[in-house]
Amino acid sequence: DGGITQSPKYLFRKEGQNVTLSCEQNLNHDAMYWYRQDPGQGLRLIYYSQIVNDFQKGDIAEGYSVSREKKESFPLTVTSAQKNPTAFYLCASSATANTEAFFGQGTRLTVV
Amino acid sequence: RKEVEQDPGPFNVPEGATVAFNCTYSNSASQSFFWYRQDCRKEPKLLMSVYSSGNEDGRFTAQLNRASQYISLLIRDSKLSDSATYLCVVNTNAGKSTFGDGTTLTVKP
Repeated sequence: DGGITQSPKYLFRKEGQNVTLSCEQNLNHDAMYWYRQDPGQGLRLIYYSQIVNDFQKGDIAEGYSVSREKKESFPLTVTSAQKNPTAFYLCASSATANTEAFFGQGTRLTVV
Repeated sequence: RKEVEQDPGPFNVPEGATVAFNCTYSNSASQSFFWYRQDCRKEPKLLMSVYSSGNEDGRFTAQLNRASQYISLLIRDSKLSDSATYLCVVNTNAGKSTFGDGTTLTVKP
């Protein structure tokens, strides 16, 4: 099936640990995005990538890092520098910058 | 000022009502516009794209006003199943995709 896969669905980590969230797509999309959503809030853009080996900071990039070594993969690392990492993380992809995006099912990260 | 601002809501309407949501954006270089629907604790799903000429899909109508920099979504004959959070999205040519904070709609019997 074509789509976007995020794993795991739920993730628990201890404070101070880095954690990497996986996002894979088999839609042959050029663009990929990472968003964070807190309870009762909208989606905030963390990083985005329009092409392999290139990515840009979004509105809340501090404490996060990404890589785009392959077209189909855009992993997000939540570092220990992120002050409030507990949130719902959503990955999306779109064919180009101006086309609609499709989302994975998200990863709920809880840091204790 | 936020790049994309939506009516905060919530909107509570009876079945069969018509409801409209508005969304304004600040970047005049914005190129593409969308409405998404998000159910509780789920990922957002595309509802419809928004074109300058306006577009309609069944009970849903979306419009774009570039001069005033706003987009709107009209839902006619509301159903219970329309209860959700509606998110507007604005993309720039540089590839940045920004969501509004969402407007929550509850349709009651």
